[in-house]
Amino acid sequence: AQKITQTQPGMFVQEKEAVTLDCTYDTSDPSYGLFWYKQPSSGEMIFLIYQGSYDQQNATEGRYSLNFQKARKSANLVISASQLGDSAMYFCAMREGLGYQAGTALIFGKGTTLSVSS
Amino acid sequence: DGGITQSPKYLFRKEGQNVTLSCEQNLNHDAMYWYRQDPGQGLRLIYYSQIVNDFQKGDIAEGYSVSREKKESFPLTVTSAQKNPTAFYLCASTRGQGMNTEAFFGQGTRLTVV
Repeated sequence: AQKITQTQPGMFVQEKEAVTLDCTYDTSDPSYGLFWYKQPSSGEMIFLIYQGSYDQQNATEGRYSLNFQKARKSANLVISASQLGDSAMYFCAMREGLGYQAGTALIFGKGTTLSVSS
Repeated sequence: DGGITQSPKYLFRKEGQNVTLSCEQNLNHDAMYWYRQDPGQGLRLIYYSQIVNDFQKGDIAEGYSVSREKKESFPLTVTSAQKNPTAFYLCASTRGQGMNTEAFFGQGTRLTVV
C-alpha cells in the first residue's frame, strides 16, 4: 500500500487564484512529519513547508499553508495568490517516527504538476 | 555557499557498463540519500547512509551499489545488473537530527542508456 497518495496528476490555475494540492498518508505511527517540496523544470527539489503530527496549528510559510486534518490523514498544500513561477511539480513526503533514527529517509508521493496561466 | 553537488548533470551509458554518479556535500550533514525519479513514479529510495562507513538498502537497491568512506561523499554506482537505469537521480542529505529536519537536494543527474 502506498504511504503517500497524491491523486491529482495535474492541476491548472490562473494567476492570483488560490489552489489546493491534495495529499493523504498512511501510517500507524502516532509520531510523524509531513513535508512539501517543489520541483521546477530544472529538477532541483525545494523545501516548502513542514507539519509535525503533534503540531496543534496548521503550518504556514508565506503564501504556503498546510491544511492538516489528522483524523482524515490528509495534509493538503494551499498556495494563495498563485504566480507564474509556481508552475512546477509538487511532492508530498512523510518521515515516520516508528523505529525513528536520526537520518530516517523521507517517503515521497508521485507528485502533482501545477500549471499557472496568466 | 554550502550545498550538495551532483555530477555529471547528464550521463550516457552503454548497455553492460557500470557508471558512477558523484554526490558531494559541504553542509556537514550526517545522513545522505539516493533517490530515483521516473515519470509518474515520484521519488523512490535507492540507498541511504546515516553515518560514515555505514549504509542501508532502500526500496529499489537491486542493481545499485554505494560507498560512504567520507562524510562529504556518497557516490552511487549503477551496475550492469540494473536492467532499466534510464532515470533522473537525486542525492540528498539531512543533518540527521529531529523529525522535522528537511532534506536538502542536489541538482540531479539524468542518466540515459544508449
